[in-house]
Amino acid sequence: QSVLAQPPSASGTPGQRVTISCSGSSSNIGSNTVTWYRQLPGTAPKLLIYDNNQRPSGVPDRFSGSKSGTSASLVISGLQSEDEADYYCGAWDDSLNGLYVFGAGTRVTVL
Amino acid sequence: EVRLVESGGGFVQPGGSLKLSCAASGFTFSTSYMNWVRQAPGEGLEWVSYISRSSSTLYYAESVKGRFTVSRDNAKNSVFLQMNSLRADDTAVYYCARLEYDGFDIWGQGTMVTVSP
Repeated sequence: QSVLAQPPSASGTPGQRVTISCSGSSSNIGSNTVTWYRQLPGTAPKLLIYDNNQRPSGVPDRFSGSKSGTSASLVISGLQSEDEADYYCGAWDDSLNGLYVFGAGTRVTVL
Repeated sequence: EVRLVESGGGFVQPGGSLKLSCAASGFTFSTSYMNWVRQAPGEGLEWVSYISRSSSTLYYAESVKGRFTVSRDNAKNSVFLQMNSLRADDTAVYYCARLEYDGFDIWGQGTMVTVSP
């Protein structure tokens, strides 16, 4: 049971908008910034969004993040076939000393 | 090129030990906060451990506390994970990752650890 709740799957056709939610609590998302990672099949995770809504260099602007209270969202605008991957949210949790928590991941399928 | 390369994974029997290494290059390792994250087969990501720049602060997930020890050698640009009393549920790909902006911005390719009789 992951501390951060994500839907197990999401899907869309090319060009559609897909939203992935990440729900936590006051000790994690409510107190700290949210990071999003993308993991393509058979590869290591890659940083996608940091500080709730910041994109690292090289990440397309069709990826955007937001946070409100104890929840966060990742939006993929203009879904592309190469976006088919697992997406994880993560945040530090202040309830236990130095604990970082991930969501269980959302598998995005491009129909 | 910014890079993290893990090594040391393999097969080990329950109760055994293994030491993972992670070699960093392309960035200033000595000022970086490092972590270990693992992923069991077919499962999601699980954070394992954190070590501060000077090794003064160490954090562990409850699932590995008392069994795993993280360390680093800034002169060799390397971070290590000593794993003792290994159990079947420790079977996973182990990644080292740099902490930046409260998230993990650089990841290694991972090393597989299999705990089985």
